Amino acid sequence: QQPVQSPQAVILREGEDAVINCSSSKALYSVHWYRQKHGEAPVFLMILLKGGEQKGHEKISASFNEKKQQSSLYLTASQLSYSGTYFCGTEINDYKLSFGAGTTVTVRA
Amino acid sequence: DGGITQSPKYLFRKEGQNVTLSCEQNLNHDAMYWYRQDPGQGLRLIYYSQIVNDFQKGDIAEGYSVSREKKESFPLTVTSAQKNPTAFYLCASSIGSESNQPQHFGDGTRLSIL
Repeated sequence: QQPVQSPQAVILREGEDAVINCSSSKALYSVHWYRQKHGEAPVFLMILLKGGEQKGHEKISASFNEKKQQSSLYLTASQLSYSGTYFCGTEINDYKLSFGAGTTVTVRA
Repeated sequence: DGGITQSPKYLFRKEGQNVTLSCEQNLNHDAMYWYRQDPGQGLRLIYYSQIVNDFQKGDIAEGYSVSREKKESFPLTVTSAQKNPTAFYLCASSIGSESNQPQHFGDGTRLSIL
C-alpha cells in the first residue's frame, strides 16, 4: 500500500523548478504532503482530497489526479529554504496514512 | 505554545529490556499516531488512536504496545519482542482522523541498542 515517489532525489539551483510525483496502486481518498529537514519533525504542507483540486503553499503547489491515482508536487522558483525531504502520505479511506519513501531536494545557491 | 512533546530525545535500550517513549500534546486533538522512520523507508505506522481508551494496530505493530488513558498522552512501549528497534520514532496528532485533517508531528525520539 506504500505509495511510490519519484524521483528519489533532485538537485536544483535557486530559482529552478521541480516536480515530485506520488503514485498509488489503489484508489485514493486523499493525499497529504509534508517536508522534513534533517533531524527535525515533518512539517505539513497541504492536503488534496478527491476532486482534483490544486492547492498552493507559497510557491509550492500540488495536484491530485484521481483517475491515475497520482499526485504531483510542484516547486516553483525554488529557494534555499525548500531543501529537505518531501513525503507524500496517501489514504485509501481507512483513516490511516501510508507514506512514500521520500524525495530529497537540495537547492544550491 | 501548543504542540507535541516527545521525550526523551535519545534513548538507549539493553537487550531484553522494555522502554517507553513519551508523547504529550496540548492541542486538544482527538487522534494520535506513532510512526517509525528508518533511513530510505519513509514513515511507517505503528499504532494509532482515534479517541481516548481506543487504539488500533498500524502496519508494523508487532513488538510494540500503546495506551491511551488520557486525551493528551499516547505513550509507546518498545518491548523486548521487537528485535530491531533502532530507529527514529515520531508521534503525531490531528484534530480528528478525517481525511482533511493535517497531522502535526513531535520532534522525535531516536532509539538505539546498547
